[in-house]
Amino acid sequence: AQSVTQLDSQVPVFEEAPVELRCNYSSSVSVYLFWYVQYPNQGLQLLLKYLSGSTLVKGINGFEAEFNKSQTSFHLRKPSVHISDTAEYFCAVSAGGTSYGKLTFGQGTILTVHP
Amino acid sequence: SQTIHQWPATLVQPVGSPLSLECTVEGTSNPNLYWYRQAAGRGLQLLFYSVGIGQISSEVPQNLSASRPQDRQFILSSKKLLLSDSGFYLCAWSVGHGGETQYFGPGTRLLVL
Repeated sequence: AQSVTQLDSQVPVFEEAPVELRCNYSSSVSVYLFWYVQYPNQGLQLLLKYLSGSTLVKGINGFEAEFNKSQTSFHLRKPSVHISDTAEYFCAVSAGGTSYGKLTFGQGTILTVHP
Repeated sequence: SQTIHQWPATLVQPVGSPLSLECTVEGTSNPNLYWYRQAAGRGLQLLFYSVGIGQISSEVPQNLSASRPQDRQFILSSKKLLLSDSGFYLCAWSVGHGGETQYFGPGTRLLVL
């Protein structure tokens, strides 16, 4: 079974500052890792995902994440945030094999960007 | 292109009443379908998933059930709603067996009073 821990429930930051949203996972098998973003009263949108290969993954809206197998982490970063980045961010893990893509989500991190 | 629809968008129901939420996907065949519930501050919890017509797997014991009468239709139901069923319900789809992106619908906000 997999589990995901997002270490910060809320992250306030000023516009144009860098941000890091932290995610740790546990799994006994190889995993795929995802970051989704959710704007108020909307569904989730994929930001980026790690399947294999390069551990640095670039996504939409200037976000990137780094897979660290030894630390079982997949932290999300953006060098300069905008007001429009204010949203809730979810880290998720999916096991390989015949898991049929089932995702286990973290509790979410609310990013608030202040002017 | 593929699209996913959910309705209704918002629903207010009394305790003990029945529930039916519908999700349909367009533009793909034989998708994997998922129902999630999102409660405030608790992330997303997978409720059911389906890999084909009539094939439903339940992830957590609860007051809800799911059905897949057609390839691209997924229905979430309850015979008698509880207060604890309130939340934001999200449907999603994917194709394949693992690692593929899940695409989410706009969600249904359910308030049980």
